Amino acid sequence: ELKVEQNPLFLSMQEGKNYTIYCNYSTTSDRLYWYRQDPGKSLESLFVLLSNGAVKQEGRLMASLDTKARLSTLHITAAVHDLSATYFCAVAREASGSRLTFGEGTQLTVNP
Amino acid sequence: GAVVSQHPSRVICKSGTSVKIECRSLDFQATTMFWYRQFPKQSLMLMATSNEGSKATYEQGVEKDKFLINHASLTLSTLTVTSAHPEDSSFYICSAGQTNEKLFFGSGTQLSVL
Repeated sequence: ELKVEQNPLFLSMQEGKNYTIYCNYSTTSDRLYWYRQDPGKSLESLFVLLSNGAVKQEGRLMASLDTKARLSTLHITAAVHDLSATYFCAVAREASGSRLTFGEGTQLTVNP
Repeated sequence: GAVVSQHPSRVICKSGTSVKIECRSLDFQATTMFWYRQFPKQSLMLMATSNEGSKATYEQGVEKDKFLINHASLTLSTLTVTSAHPEDSSFYICSAGQTNEKLFFGSGTQLSVL
C-alpha cells in the first residue's frame, strides 16, 4: 500500500526566509503532484513531476523529485504572507493512472 | 484551460435525508472521475473512482450503498450521500483528468448534516 508522508506538518516562518517541505513516499510511482489549498477552498495545482531529477519553479516555489530516494521537496524562497496556505503532495498509485494518495499536508503560516 | 465544476458548493441537510453532488468536466470528456473526502484539518482520502457507463470502484472501507456514484455521461459524475448522518459531514471534492498529468479538482462541496 502506498504511503505518503510530509514533514513538517506545521510550519511558521518569517517573511523573507527560506524553507523546505519534504514529501516521502513508500512505493514506486511515475508522477508526483504538489497542490496548494486555502481554507475552505479546493486544490490549486502547483507542479507535476514526472521523472527523476525533475525540477520545476514558479515564482518563489521550486519543486524537485528524486525517484530513487522516493523523495520530493518543495522549496520556498523569500517567503511572503500570500504563501500562507496548506500544501499537499500527492502520488499516483499506478502507472498511467489518476488515483492519488495524498500526504497529510503542511500548514504554512508566513508572518510579517 | 480545462475546468471541473462541482455543485453545490455548500449544503446543509437534516439527518436521514439524501444529498446529491454533481461534478462536471466543462471542456473535456472524462471516462473516469474521482471522489475524495476531506475532514477538517486533514488530508484528502480517495473514496471511489467513477467510471463512465459502468459501476464505480470503491476504496476499502467506503460503503457503496451509502455513497452512490453515477457516471452517466462523459462529462458528469454524481455522488449521492444516502441517509446522511452527522458523521458524513465533510468536504467532498471531485477530480477529473484531461490527461494523466493534467488532473483538475472541483471547487468542493461542504456538507453539513444536522
